[in-house]
Amino acid sequence: QQQVKQSPQSLIVQKGGISIINCAYENTAFDYFPWYQQFPGKGPALLIAIRPDVSEKKEGRFTISFNKSAKQFSLHIMDSQPGDSATYFCAASGQAGTALIFGKGTTLSVSS
Amino acid sequence: GAVVSQHPSRVICKSGTSVKIECRSLDFQATTMFWYRQFPKQSLMLMATSNEGSKATYEQGVEKDKFLINHASLTLSTLTVTSAHPEDSSFYICSARARSGGPSGAQYFGPGTRLTVL
Repeated sequence: QQQVKQSPQSLIVQKGGISIINCAYENTAFDYFPWYQQFPGKGPALLIAIRPDVSEKKEGRFTISFNKSAKQFSLHIMDSQPGDSATYFCAASGQAGTALIFGKGTTLSVSS
Repeated sequence: GAVVSQHPSRVICKSGTSVKIECRSLDFQATTMFWYRQFPKQSLMLMATSNEGSKATYEQGVEKDKFLINHASLTLSTLTVTSAHPEDSSFYICSARARSGGPSGAQYFGPGTRLTVL
């Protein structure tokens, strides 16, 4: 019940295309859903996050779609660029200061 | 804002020695800091949760006597790997949650420390 399942494991997208990464969770106590971007040898950087009271959040080319009834959320990267090539992690946490539970990650490659 | 630093960024040590890694929140106060370990091409695995002024809470399977965590102030937490062995070689990453961020506030990660034990 504590797991966050992420797919696909790897993704290849052409420059200018849309990258879509999906995550699913089971614990209904989760109330915070961030996405992190990690480059090799670096720590994860917070990209965008959403809470269950909204169904979508957009920041620049990055959009989170959230489906509370299905317990799923996804990251959409519009106009994907080679510089977006990285590993993306979804995560979830609940109330009372609990730690983030991470998905297994998706390696995105944007071909030019 | 929300910058977390780690020192050192890279350390190589001999088997049996101890290594200390520092994690600092530079521009905010962090009531809670987390320590993660990441093996190549894998996700982040939570090792322990550290609250300022209290003992760290370790995840199942993490030896508290081997991985000593001290959270002495609202801006500093340290992880000491005692009697390190080659299997402890990994990428260690800390994160900090801002005091004003609320119970489920954003966590900001440090750049990580690459530990290699020979």
